[in-house]
Amino acid sequence: SAVISQKPSRDICQRGTSLTIQCQVDSQVTMMFWYRQQPGQSLTLIATANQGSEATYESGFVIDKFPISRPNLTFSTLTVSNMSPEDSSIYLCSGGRVGVNEQFFGPGTRLTVL
Amino acid sequence: AQKVTQAQTEISVVEKEDVTLDCVYETRDTTYYLFWYKQPPSGELVFLIRRNSFDEQNEISGRYSWNFQKSTSSFNFTITASQVVDSAVYFCALSKERGYGGSQGNLIFGKGTKLSVKP
Repeated sequence: SAVISQKPSRDICQRGTSLTIQCQVDSQVTMMFWYRQQPGQSLTLIATANQGSEATYESGFVIDKFPISRPNLTFSTLTVSNMSPEDSSIYLCSGGRVGVNEQFFGPGTRLTVL
Repeated sequence: AQKVTQAQTEISVVEKEDVTLDCVYETRDTTYYLFWYKQPPSGELVFLIRRNSFDEQNEISGRYSWNFQKSTSSFNFTITASQVVDSAVYFCALSKERGYGGSQGNLIFGKGTKLSVKP
C-alpha cells in the first residue's frame, strides 16, 4: 500500500488568513485527490489534483478558495484561502495507482478556524 | 447519479457480539468498485476492502466478512466477535471505473456508521 503523509497534522488559524497543506506519497500515483470532512460528517471530494495543470474541482468548490498544485507525481498542496469558521474541517489527501482501483488516505489535517 | 446510503447512523454492541453494517449503493455504471474504510477516533482512514462489480463472491478476512449482493445493490460488512478496538466510524464508498472522463476514480462516500463496542 502507498504511504501518504500530510503536514501540518493540525492547525488553529485566524479568520481571513490562508493555510497551505502539503501531501507527499511514497510512490508514484496517477491520481491524487483532496477531500474535506466537516465535523461529524462524511467525506466530500474537493478536487482532483492534476500533475502540471489546473485541478479539476467538484461542484461547490472553486479554485480561488481552494487553489491546488501538483508539480510532480508524488507531491500536492491544497491552500484554504481567506478562511472562515465554516472551513473548520479535516482535510484529507488520497492517492490511487494505475491499474489498481484503490485509494489510500493520508492522516488528515485538522483545521480549526477561530 | 451515484449514491451510497448507510442507514445506520450509530450502533452500539457489547464485546463479542456480531454486528453487521449495511451499505446500499446506486449507480448506472456497469463497472464500478466498492470500498469499506475504518476511521478510528484518531482520524485516519484505514482501507479495509475493495470489491469490483464483477466479483460477487463473499470475502472473509479474520473477523471481518463482506456480503456483496448485486441484485439488491448492497455491500454489507459483518464483524464477528466484536472487540473494543473495533470502535470507529465505518464508511462505505463507491468509485467509477478508471478510464471514464471527469472525476474518474474519485470516491463517493456514505455518511458513515459509528460503531461503539463496549466491554
